[in-house]
Amino acid sequence: DAGITQSPRYKITETGRQVTLMCHQTWSHSYMFWYRQDLGHGLRLIYYSAAADITDKGEVPDGYVVSRSKTENFPLTLESATRSQTSVYFCATGQGAAEAFFGQGTRLTVV
Amino acid sequence: AQSVSQHNHHVILSEAASLELGCNYSYGGTVNLFWYVQYPGQHLQLLLKYFSGDPLVKGIKGFEAEFIKSKFSFNLRKPSVQWSDTAEYFCAVNPYNQGGKLIFGQGTELSVKP
Repeated sequence: DAGITQSPRYKITETGRQVTLMCHQTWSHSYMFWYRQDLGHGLRLIYYSAAADITDKGEVPDGYVVSRSKTENFPLTLESATRSQTSVYFCATGQGAAEAFFGQGTRLTVV
Repeated sequence: AQSVSQHNHHVILSEAASLELGCNYSYGGTVNLFWYVQYPGQHLQLLLKYFSGDPLVKGIKGFEAEFIKSKFSFNLRKPSVQWSDTAEYFCAVNPYNQGGKLIFGQGTELSVKP
Protein backbone atom coordinates (compact mmCIF):
# COMPACT_ATOMS: atom_id res chain seq x y z
CA ASP A 1 0.00 0.00 0.00
CA ALA A 2 1.85 3.07 -1.29
CA GLY A 3 -0.51 5.64 0.27
CA ILE A 4 0.01 8.22 -2.42
CA THR A 5 1.05 7.35 -5.96
CA GLN A 6 2.01 9.69 -8.77
CA SER A 7 2.24 8.64 -12.39
CA PRO A 8 4.15 8.84 -14.56
CA ARG A 9 7.40 9.43 -12.67
CA TYR A 10 9.06 10.89 -15.74
CA LYS A 11 7.51 12.47 -18.81
CA ILE A 12 8.86 14.23 -21.86
CA THR A 13 6.32 16.04 -24.01
CA GLU A 14 6.31 18.56 -26.82
CA THR A 15 5.23 22.16 -26.65
CA GLY A 16 1.52 22.51 -27.29
CA ARG A 17 0.55 18.98 -26.30
CA GLN A 18 -1.90 18.19 -23.57
CA VAL A 19 -0.52 16.10 -20.73
CA THR A 20 -2.13 14.74 -17.60
CA LEU A 21 -0.33 13.89 -14.40
CA MET A 22 -2.08 11.42 -12.14
CA CYS A 23 -2.29 11.33 -8.37
CA HIS A 24 -3.97 8.57 -6.40
CA GLN A 25 -4.27 8.14 -2.64
CA THR A 26 -5.45 5.24 -0.51
CA TRP A 27 -5.85 7.15 2.78
CA SER A 28 -9.17 8.94 2.06
CA HIS A 29 -7.64 12.25 3.09
CA SER A 30 -9.98 15.13 2.38
CA TYR A 31 -7.34 17.54 1.05
CA MET A 32 -5.22 17.04 -2.03
CA PHE A 33 -2.65 19.45 -3.46
CA TRP A 34 -0.54 19.96 -6.54
CA TYR A 35 2.79 21.77 -6.25
CA ARG A 36 5.55 22.49 -8.70
CA GLN A 37 9.15 22.65 -7.55
CA ASP A 38 11.59 24.87 -9.39
CA LEU A 39 15.09 25.95 -8.46
CA GLY A 40 14.99 29.22 -6.57
CA HIS A 41 11.22 29.14 -6.10
CA GLY A 42 10.74 26.28 -3.69
CA LEU A 43 7.32 24.67 -3.90
CA ARG A 44 4.52 26.70 -5.37
CA LEU A 45 0.91 25.65 -4.99
CA ILE A 46 -0.90 25.17 -8.30
CA TYR A 47 -4.32 23.91 -7.22
CA TYR A 48 -5.80 22.24 -4.21
CA SER A 49 -9.00 20.43 -3.32
CA ALA A 50 -10.79 20.26 0.01
CA ALA A 51 -13.05 17.38 -1.04
CA ALA A 52 -14.47 15.68 -4.10
CA ASP A 53 -15.89 18.25 -6.53
CA ILE A 54 -14.31 21.14 -4.59
CA THR A 55 -11.18 22.69 -6.08
CA ASP A 56 -9.49 26.05 -5.71
CA LYS A 57 -6.60 27.94 -7.25
CA GLY A 58 -3.25 28.21 -5.61
CA GLU A 59 -0.38 30.60 -6.34
CA VAL A 60 0.34 29.61 -9.96
CA PRO A 61 -2.79 28.10 -11.59
CA ASP A 62 -2.48 29.51 -15.10
CA GLY A 63 -2.15 26.85 -17.79
CA TYR A 64 -3.34 24.03 -15.54
CA VAL A 65 -6.67 22.32 -15.02
CA VAL A 66 -7.70 19.97 -12.24
CA SER A 67 -10.69 17.84 -11.40
CA ARG A 68 -11.67 15.67 -8.48
CA SER A 69 -14.66 13.49 -9.15
CA LYS A 70 -13.52 10.89 -6.60
CA THR A 71 -11.86 11.44 -3.24
CA GLU A 72 -8.89 9.28 -4.13
CA ASN A 73 -7.89 10.84 -7.47
CA PHE A 74 -6.69 14.34 -8.31
CA PRO A 75 -5.35 14.59 -11.87
CA LEU A 76 -3.50 17.67 -13.09
CA THR A 77 -3.78 18.55 -16.78
CA LEU A 78 -1.56 20.88 -18.74
CA GLU A 79 -3.88 21.93 -21.53
CA SER A 80 -1.15 23.12 -23.92
CA ALA A 81 2.27 22.49 -22.47
CA THR A 82 4.90 25.24 -22.56
CA ARG A 83 8.62 25.10 -21.81
CA SER A 84 8.04 27.17 -18.69
CA GLN A 85 6.04 24.27 -17.31
CA THR A 86 9.13 22.05 -17.23
CA SER A 87 9.35 21.23 -13.56
CA VAL A 88 9.01 18.59 -10.89
CA TYR A 89 5.40 18.19 -9.84
CA PHE A 90 4.42 16.93 -6.40
CA CYS A 91 1.03 15.76 -5.31
CA ALA A 92 0.22 15.83 -1.60
CA THR A 93 -2.68 14.83 0.63
CA GLY A 94 -3.77 15.92 4.09
CA GLN A 95 -6.57 16.09 6.58
CA GLY A 96 -7.51 19.75 6.98
CA ALA A 97 -4.81 21.73 8.73
CA ALA A 98 -2.75 18.70 9.68
CA GLU A 99 0.50 17.77 7.96
CA ALA A 100 0.62 17.02 4.25
CA PHE A 101 2.01 13.78 2.84
CA PHE A 102 3.86 13.97 -0.43
CA GLY A 103 4.15 11.67 -3.40
CA GLN A 104 7.43 10.83 -5.10
CA GLY A 105 7.01 13.48 -7.75
CA THR A 106 6.74 13.60 -11.54
CA ARG A 107 9.60 15.10 -13.49
CA LEU A 108 8.11 16.77 -16.57
CA THR A 109 10.18 18.08 -19.43
CA VAL A 110 8.56 20.11 -22.17
CA VAL A 111 10.66 20.32 -25.35
CA ALA B 1 1.41 39.84 -0.77
CA GLN B 2 1.17 37.12 1.81
CA SER B 3 4.24 34.94 1.75
CA VAL B 4 6.71 32.68 3.49
CA SER B 5 10.36 33.74 3.40
CA GLN B 6 13.45 31.70 4.06
CA HIS B 7 16.43 33.97 4.25
CA ASN B 8 19.21 31.48 3.66
CA HIS B 9 19.29 29.94 0.21
CA HIS B 10 22.37 27.79 0.71
CA VAL B 11 24.12 27.02 3.96
CA ILE B 12 27.40 25.13 4.19
CA LEU B 13 28.50 23.74 7.55
CA SER B 14 31.04 21.31 8.88
CA GLU B 15 29.91 18.31 10.88
CA ALA B 16 29.18 19.10 14.57
CA ALA B 17 28.46 22.76 13.80
CA SER B 18 25.21 24.25 15.02
CA LEU B 19 22.43 25.06 12.58
CA GLU B 20 19.80 27.76 12.53
CA LEU B 21 17.59 28.33 9.47
CA GLY B 22 15.34 31.33 9.40
CA CYS B 23 11.67 31.40 8.37
CA ASN B 24 9.33 34.36 8.43
CA TYR B 25 5.76 34.61 7.25
CA SER B 26 3.47 37.51 6.53
CA TYR B 27 0.05 36.00 7.27
CA GLY B 28 -1.97 37.68 10.00
CA GLY B 29 -4.00 35.73 12.49
CA THR B 30 -3.50 32.18 13.63
CA VAL B 31 -1.29 29.86 11.63
CA ASN B 32 -0.04 26.30 11.75
CA LEU B 33 3.67 25.99 11.01
CA PHE B 34 5.76 23.21 9.56
CA TRP B 35 9.30 22.33 8.58
CA TYR B 36 9.81 19.72 5.88
CA VAL B 37 13.02 18.11 4.66
CA GLN B 38 13.81 16.80 1.18
CA TYR B 39 16.81 14.50 0.90
CA PRO B 40 18.46 14.32 -2.52
CA GLY B 41 16.19 12.61 -5.04
CA GLN B 42 13.39 12.06 -2.55
CA HIS B 43 10.03 13.54 -1.70
CA LEU B 44 9.31 15.88 1.18
CA GLN B 45 9.04 14.52 4.70
CA LEU B 46 7.77 16.26 7.82
CA LEU B 47 10.43 17.28 10.35
CA LEU B 48 8.21 19.01 12.88
CA LYS B 49 5.04 21.04 13.26
CA TYR B 50 3.54 23.68 15.52
CA PHE B 51 -0.18 24.11 16.06
CA SER B 52 -0.42 25.65 19.56
CA GLY B 53 1.05 25.46 23.06
CA ASP B 54 4.76 25.44 23.86
CA PRO B 55 6.44 27.59 21.18
CA LEU B 56 9.52 25.39 21.28
CA VAL B 57 8.76 22.21 19.37
CA LYS B 58 10.93 19.17 18.92
CA GLY B 59 10.96 17.06 15.82
CA ILE B 60 12.71 14.06 14.43
CA LYS B 61 16.47 13.59 14.13
CA GLY B 62 17.30 16.13 16.83
CA PHE B 63 15.71 19.13 15.12
CA GLU B 64 13.73 21.74 16.97
CA ALA B 65 12.01 24.99 16.06
CA GLU B 66 10.89 28.06 17.96
CA PHE B 67 7.75 30.01 17.15
CA ILE B 68 8.04 33.70 17.98
CA LYS B 69 4.62 35.19 17.32
CA SER B 70 5.71 38.82 17.65
CA LYS B 71 8.34 38.31 14.97
CA PHE B 72 6.21 36.09 12.70
CA SER B 73 9.10 33.64 12.76
CA PHE B 74 9.56 29.90 13.02
CA ASN B 75 13.28 29.19 12.94
CA LEU B 76 14.70 25.69 12.71
CA ARG B 77 17.67 24.65 14.86
CA LYS B 78 19.92 21.71 15.45
CA PRO B 79 22.80 21.81 17.96
CA SER B 80 25.14 19.54 16.01
CA VAL B 81 24.64 18.65 12.35
CA GLN B 82 25.72 15.45 10.67
CA TRP B 83 26.70 14.72 7.08
CA SER B 84 23.39 12.89 6.71
CA ASP B 85 21.54 16.16 7.32
CA THR B 86 22.56 17.34 3.87
CA ALA B 87 19.22 18.13 2.26
CA GLU B 88 16.86 20.92 1.34
CA TYR B 89 14.70 22.33 4.12
CA PHE B 90 11.33 23.97 3.59
CA CYS B 91 9.27 26.06 5.94
CA ALA B 92 5.50 25.94 5.37
CA VAL B 93 2.53 27.85 6.73
CA ASN B 94 -1.13 26.91 6.94
CA PRO B 95 -3.18 30.05 7.65
CA TYR B 96 -6.25 29.19 9.73
CA ASN B 97 -8.58 31.24 7.59
CA GLN B 98 -7.55 29.44 4.38
CA GLY B 99 -8.66 25.90 5.12
CA GLY B 100 -6.01 23.30 4.50
CA LYS B 101 -3.97 25.47 2.13
CA LEU B 102 -0.24 24.99 2.75
CA ILE B 103 2.20 27.63 1.49
CA PHE B 104 5.92 26.94 1.28
CA GLY B 105 9.01 29.08 1.43
CA GLN B 106 11.70 28.99 -1.21
CA GLY B 107 13.74 26.37 0.60
CA THR B 108 17.25 26.33 2.08
CA GLU B 109 19.83 23.94 0.78
CA LEU B 110 22.06 22.62 3.56
CA SER B 111 25.40 21.06 2.71
CA VAL B 112 27.28 19.43 5.57
CA LYS B 113 30.98 18.71 5.04
CA PRO B 114 32.28 15.52 6.67
